[in-house]
Amino acid sequence: GAGVSQSPSNKVTEKGKDVELRCDPISGHTALYWYRQSLGQGLEFLIYFQGNSAPDKSGLPSDRFSAERTGGSVSTLTIQRTQQEDSAVYLCASSNLAGGPSSYEQYFGPGTRLTVT
Amino acid sequence: LAKTTQPISMDSYEGQEVNITCSHNNIATNDYITWYQQFPSQGPRFIIQGYKTKVTNEVASLFIPADRKSSTLSLPRVSLSDTAVYYCLVGDPLKGGKLIFGQGTELSVKP
Repeated sequence: GAGVSQSPSNKVTEKGKDVELRCDPISGHTALYWYRQSLGQGLEFLIYFQGNSAPDKSGLPSDRFSAERTGGSVSTLTIQRTQQEDSAVYLCASSNLAGGPSSYEQYFGPGTRLTVT
Repeated sequence: LAKTTQPISMDSYEGQEVNITCSHNNIATNDYITWYQQFPSQGPRFIIQGYKTKVTNEVASLFIPADRKSSTLSLPRVSLSDTAVYYCLVGDPLKGGKLIFGQGTELSVKP
């Protein structure tokens, strides 16, 4: 079946511009996560959506970052007024938390490589 | 939040068994232990998950002592294709925002 997809795969933007990154999770997955990974670093949690609950935004680094998940499916991460330090790979993952512990694993997309010049 | 500590890097040779240990001293009752593998330019991939004792699947085993303050990922007979970064993740899966990936262990398998 189809996995998690993300678009675009690469994005180059100028400092100060806004960008939107898209994530299509696996159909039926209740949870969706956004992470950021800088070169050679681990994953940094950004935001988490679970069902109809209010998202956990505790990882968003500044108010320039926002995300929404429409209809419990597709999610968009928006970065306003991009800065050079925003350059990283943005990873999206989804999981089915309704299926019990055996289904808790996160399925990751290939990521979007963002470069801010 | 359960903070994890794992070696930054490890070297091994093809055919050997590799054990990577993760420390998580402040693990909470509802926390699970999950390991992910990541190749360059790819998203992480699930390897194995456990809560206590031992879990085994077709690619790895996970050993968790009774106090759950550490865990060991065991990769039997590694091959060159197992060269990757391995992340130990500890947390309550139902609280996704509290799942913290550490820096990972970079495993290098040599011929």
